[in-house]
Amino acid sequence: AQSVTQPDIHITVSEGASLELRCNYSYGATPYLFWYVQSPGQGLQLLLKYFSGDTLVQGIKGFEAEFKRSQSSFNLRKPSVHWSDAAEYFCAVGEPDSSYKLIFGSGTRLLVRP
Amino acid sequence: GAVVSQHPSRVICKSGTSVKIECRSLDFQATTMFWYRQFPKQSLMLMATSNEGSKATYEQGVEKDKFLINHASLTLSTLTVTSAHPEDSSFYICSAPPEAGVEKLFFGSGTQLSVL
Repeated sequence: AQSVTQPDIHITVSEGASLELRCNYSYGATPYLFWYVQSPGQGLQLLLKYFSGDTLVQGIKGFEAEFKRSQSSFNLRKPSVHWSDAAEYFCAVGEPDSSYKLIFGSGTRLLVRP
Repeated sequence: GAVVSQHPSRVICKSGTSVKIECRSLDFQATTMFWYRQFPKQSLMLMATSNEGSKATYEQGVEKDKFLINHASLTLSTLTVTSAHPEDSSFYICSAPPEAGVEKLFFGSGTQLSVL
């Protein structure tokens, strides 16, 4: 069965500092991979996704993620964090032959220090 | 771009009442929609898959009689929480893929249900 692990429950960074949020998945083949952001009481916004091809994916708001097959990872990065980036971030996987169901990680809450 | 509209955004109800949540695809047809539940400070858990014209498919552990799903048309799916209890208080989110597939999966803005 598929699973997604986000090992960091909370991460605190200073505004302007770089950010990396970790995501590891378990799946027999290469799944579809997603990062979503959720502000308090809000729905989900897609930051970026990976299906195939270039393993470094660029997303919105200056985010990028790199798919590493050997490590079963899809870590999210941003070179310079803004205070408005404070939110909950979810990594998710979907099966390529999918019924479009996504399995979500437990989430990482990002706090930004002024 | 395609949008999924979810209503209401927030509902407070008394224990024992039923609450209906609507999920609409605004500019595309969705033969399938998904319902997720998110407890405070937890991740989203898939509850069920709503299928237009057929019965919903529920994930293990989700009570079919408790969470009634009706996919009335190609643009509307409803989730009814029947005889709601405080433990049903949660954030419910729907999602819908247009026919293009999972790469175009869109989420509603969610419904915060509070059962008193």
